[in-house]
Amino acid sequence: QQQVKQSPQSLIVQKGGISIINCAYENTAFDYFPWYQQFPGKGPALLIAIRPDVSEKKEGRFTISFNKSAKQFSLHIMDSQPGDSATYFCAASRLGPGPASKLTFGTGTRLQVTL
Amino acid sequence: DTEVTQTPKHLVMGMTNKKSLKCEQHMGHRAMYWYKQKAKKPPELMFVYSYEKLSINESVPSRFSPECPNSSLLNLHLHALQPEDSALYLCASSPTRTSGGGPAGDTQYFGPGTRLTVL
Repeated sequence: QQQVKQSPQSLIVQKGGISIINCAYENTAFDYFPWYQQFPGKGPALLIAIRPDVSEKKEGRFTISFNKSAKQFSLHIMDSQPGDSATYFCAASRLGPGPASKLTFGTGTRLQVTL
Repeated sequence: DTEVTQTPKHLVMGMTNKKSLKCEQHMGHRAMYWYKQKAKKPPELMFVYSYEKLSINESVPSRFSPECPNSSLLNLHLHALQPEDSALYLCASSPTRTSGGGPAGDTQYFGPGTRLTVL
């Protein structure tokens, strides 16, 4: 029940295309859903995040769509660029034992944007 | 400033060595985290400190020993590691929900990591 399932495992998109990555969760206690972008040899960087009271959030070329009833959320990257080539992790958060949150990560998607 | 710093960037150690990883943040965050990340895998949570107290230990072997000397610093002491412990070790910090951050306390900021190789 703690898992977050992410697909696809890898994705190749042409420059200018739309990249779509999907995630699904089971635990209804999750109440915060961030996406992280990670380049090789670097730490994950927060890209965009959403809460269950909103169905969509857009920041520039990045959009999260959230379907609470289906327990699914997805990341859309519009006008994909070669610089977007990275590994993307979805995650879900809930309050941990104590005042800090506890993140559960998806398995990751390696995105390659070709010229 | 949303930066979490980690030192060293790279570390090579033998199985009998004792070494420490360091993490620092000056964002006033009162929650700090250690993660372990193997190649092509997501980060795995190891430890969580809240208000300088250990609140989560994800059943990590005792050869890893965390320490939080103050609200800005987090250390991970390493002793008698095994080659399978080689990985990228990530530190993160966040506000806490009970410090007025509300659900915004969920935003974790990661450092660049320490690449650890155990020979």
